[in-house]
Amino acid sequence: GENVEQHPSTLSVQEGDSAVIKCTYSDSASNYFPWYKQELGKRPQLIIDIRSNVGEKKDQRIAVTLNKTAKHFSLHITETQPEDSAVYFCAAFATPGNDMRFGAGTRLTVKP
Amino acid sequence: ETGVTQTPRHLVMGMTNKKSLKCEQHLGHNAMYWYKQSAKKPLELMFVYSLEERVENNSVPSRFSPECPNSSHLFLHLHTLQPEDSALYLCASSQYPPENNEQFFGPGTRLTVL
Repeated sequence: GENVEQHPSTLSVQEGDSAVIKCTYSDSASNYFPWYKQELGKRPQLIIDIRSNVGEKKDQRIAVTLNKTAKHFSLHITETQPEDSAVYFCAAFATPGNDMRFGAGTRLTVKP
Repeated sequence: ETGVTQTPRHLVMGMTNKKSLKCEQHLGHNAMYWYKQSAKKPLELMFVYSLEERVENNSVPSRFSPECPNSSHLFLHLHTLQPEDSALYLCASSQYPPENNEQFFGPGTRLTVL
C-alpha cells in the first residue's frame, strides 16, 4: 500500500518569509495529491491539490509542485502571515484500491 | 451547523461500554469516510462508503463497526475498546471517487477510553 512521509514535523518562520513542506510517496499509482490545513481545534480543510498530470499549481500565496519521477511533492507558502500558523497535511490518493494516505503533518508557526 | 456534523463532540467510555458516533452531511455528497487522528500520527483512513456500500476497510479491528444507512448518515459503533483507541475521530464526505474531489471534514469526536 501507499506510504506517505512528510517533513519537517515542525517549522517556524518569521512573518513574510517563505515556508516549504515536503512529502514523498511510495505508490507510483498515486494520481491525486491534496494538501489540508488544520488550525488548532478545527477540522482539516483543503487548501490546494494537484493531479499527477500537472507539475505545478499556484493559488495566490500557495503553490504545490509535483515530481512524479522522484515521487515527491511540496507545498510552498510565500509571504507568510500569522494566520498561516496551523498543521498542514499532505495526502496521496491512488485510484486503484481507492487508497488515501496522509502524511504525519507539519506544525507551521509564523512569528510576527 | 451546515456541512458535515458529528455527535457527540466528546465521549468518555470504559473498555466494556458500547457507544456510537454519528456523522451527518448536508452537502449532497455520495461518499462518506471515517478517519482516526492520533497525536503525532498521520490521519488514518478507517472506512469508506460510497452510495451506502463499504468500498474500503483499512484493516480496522472488529471492535469498530461502521454503518451507513443512507448517503447522508454514517455511524461508527464502538464496543470493548482499548485505551490506545483514544483519539479524535473525524468524519468526512465528498463526491466519489475522492480523486480531485475535496473531502469536507466534520469537527470530530474526541474519544477517551478509560
